[in-house]
Amino acid sequence: AQTVTQSQPEMSVQEAETVTLSCTYDTSESDYYLFWYKQPPSRQMILVIRQEAYKQQNATENRFSVNFQKAAKSFSLKISDSQLGDAAMYFCAYRRGREYGNKLVFGAGTILRVKS
Amino acid sequence: DTAVSQTPKYLVTQMGNDKSIKCEQNLGHDTMYWYKQDSKKFLKIMFSYNNKELIINETVPNRFSPKSPDKAHLNLHINSLELGDSAVYFCASSPYRGNENSPLHFGNGTRLTVT
Repeated sequence: AQTVTQSQPEMSVQEAETVTLSCTYDTSESDYYLFWYKQPPSRQMILVIRQEAYKQQNATENRFSVNFQKAAKSFSLKISDSQLGDAAMYFCAYRRGREYGNKLVFGAGTILRVKS
Repeated sequence: DTAVSQTPKYLVTQMGNDKSIKCEQNLGHDTMYWYKQDSKKFLKIMFSYNNKELIINETVPNRFSPKSPDKAHLNLHINSLELGDSAVYFCASSPYRGNENSPLHFGNGTRLTVT
C-alpha cells in the first residue's frame, strides 16, 4: 500500500529563517508524482510545489524548494526566508497513476508556526 | 469565478438527518473527487468520478452516495447522519487525460457538524 509519513507533527521557525519539513513515502511504483499543499486557517488547500519522480532535478518555486531523494523515498520541503503568512498546516502528498484514478494520498500534516 | 465551488460552507444538523453537499467546477476537468478531513486534520479520499463514472470508492459506508449529473458536478448525499460524520468535506477536480503532474484543485471545504 502507498503510505506517506510526515514525522514532524509541529515545527516552529523564526521569521526570515529557513525551515525544512520532512516527508517519506512508501511505494512500489516507478512513476509517480509528489506534491506539497498548504492549508492555512482559512482551510483552503493551496498547492505549494510539485515534483515528478522521473526528474532528478529538485523543484523550486520562489522561496520553496524540495529535496527529492528517490532511492530513499524522501521528499522534504524547504522554506527560505520564512514569512508570517507561511504559518499553516503543510501536507505532503503522493499521486498514484491514471490506472488508480490519479488519487492523492496525503500524509498526516505538519503544523508550521512562524515567530516574529 | 471560483474554480471549484462547494456549498454550503457550513452545515449543522442532527443525527439521523439526510443532507447533501454540492460541488461544481468550471475548469473543464474530467475527474472530480470527494475527500474527508477528520478532526485530526487527516485527509482521506472517499470517491472519484471521471466523466460521470465512478472510478474510486474507498470503502465508504453506503450511507454516502455521490452523484455526478455531468462532469462539472459531483454532489455528495449523506443518509442517516451519525456523530462520526462530523468533518470537513473537500471537493476537488483534476484533468484525467492530462499530465498526472497536474495538481488537484480543491474547493474551500464544507464543515459538517452532526449534533
